[in-house]
Amino acid sequence: EVQLVESGGGLVQPGRSLRLSCAASGFTFDDYAMHWVRQAPGKGLEWVSGISWNSGSIGYADSVKGRFTISRDNAKNSLYLQMNSLRAEDTALYYCAKGVVVVADYFDYWGQGTLVTVSS
Amino acid sequence: EIVLTQSPDFQSVTPKEKVTITCRASQSIGSSLHWYQQKPDQSPKLLIKYASQSISGVPSRFSGSGSGTDFTLTINSLEAEDAATYYCHQSSSLPITFGQGTRLEIK
Repeated sequence: EVQLVESGGGLVQPGRSLRLSCAASGFTFDDYAMHWVRQAPGKGLEWVSGISWNSGSIGYADSVKGRFTISRDNAKNSLYLQMNSLRAEDTALYYCAKGVVVVADYFDYWGQGTLVTVSS
Repeated sequence: EIVLTQSPDFQSVTPKEKVTITCRASQSIGSSLHWYQQKPDQSPKLLIKYASQSISGVPSRFSGSGSGTDFTLTINSLEAEDAATYYCHQSSSLPITFGQGTRLEIK
């Protein structure tokens, strides 16, 4: 059974940093692209970033480019999102999602999300 | 960036009704269009991939069609458990984008 478990969310002040993690199990992690997708309270889905199986291809939404960094550790079956210079508009539930082969593809499994609140 | 526009934003429907949700892309995306269902307080779930390809475990009343810029998600014989928000998503090019969502309320 595919499982994606996010962690690392919390309350953080504007301008500070936070690192999210996603622990994956139930599939061969290093065969697939992985993604972060967020959902602000009461709003729709917004893709944040995606990374290919070997970290050779990475993409970011314009809203986070230059502030967020996605990475993965295939030996630990883990995905990460380093978030710097956080803003109030980054407040959202952050989902880890399993992709397919290339970064630009669909998401077939989603975690339950970790909540990030940016507020002073 | 490719913009996806869904219609309607909200629809109130009765059980056994047929529902059609449309998704229009700002430029041609071939068949790189996927549909998700998100029930309240749950994570999104993949319903349809590549415009019309079914997903194992998804009820057969859900189907998709379209290509290029115009796509449709159809729910035949709606059931109460289909109350949810539905999103389309394009993977033709980065950045990946979603439609704004269509909320279905069951009367």
